[in-house]
Amino acid sequence: AQSVTQLGSHVSVSEGALVLLRCNYSSSVPPYLFWYVQYPNQGLQLLLKYTSAATLVKGINGFEAEFKKSETSFHLTKPSAHMSDAAEYFCAVSMNTGFQKLVFGTGTRLLVSP
Amino acid sequence: GAVVSQHPSWVICKSGTSVKIECRSLDFQATTMFWYRQFPKQSLMLMATSNEGSKATYEQGVEKDKFLINHASLTLSTLTVTSAHPEDSSFYICSARERGLRNEQFFGPGTRLTVL
Repeated sequence: AQSVTQLGSHVSVSEGALVLLRCNYSSSVPPYLFWYVQYPNQGLQLLLKYTSAATLVKGINGFEAEFKKSETSFHLTKPSAHMSDAAEYFCAVSMNTGFQKLVFGTGTRLLVSP
Repeated sequence: GAVVSQHPSWVICKSGTSVKIECRSLDFQATTMFWYRQFPKQSLMLMATSNEGSKATYEQGVEKDKFLINHASLTLSTLTVTSAHPEDSSFYICSARERGLRNEQFFGPGTRLTVL
């Protein structure tokens, strides 16, 4: 079975600081990995995805994530936080046989202070 | 492109009534649609997967007679919560998977259901 673990239900950073949101996965087969962002009372927006191509994946809004097989990790980073980045972030995993069922982590709320 | 809409965006109903939520892919054909449920401050839990023209596949623990899913066309899926009770109050989100090369799920904005 596949699963993802997001360490830290809340992460607080100052505006301009580095953002690091952690995600570790468990999968018996090579996975597809995703990061989604959710703003209050809205659906999910895809930030980026890993589909077995480049291990460093660049997404929208300046976010990127690196797939590290040896660490079973897919951490999300952004060099400089902006106030508008405050939201809930979800890591998700799927089998690499197509974008079938997504299994989501519990989410990390990013708080950005001025 | 790849826009998914949901209607209504929020609904309040009395206990015992049924509520229908629509999920539409506006600019693409969705061979598969997914329905998720999200409790406050929690993650999304997949409820069911529906393929156009066939019966939905429900996840373990989801009552198929309570949560009726219909995927009648390549652009529309509906979720009907039958005989709703307060414990059914939640945020329901659908996603659609596009037919063709872009094998990705696109999410709707969600529907907030409150059962009194």
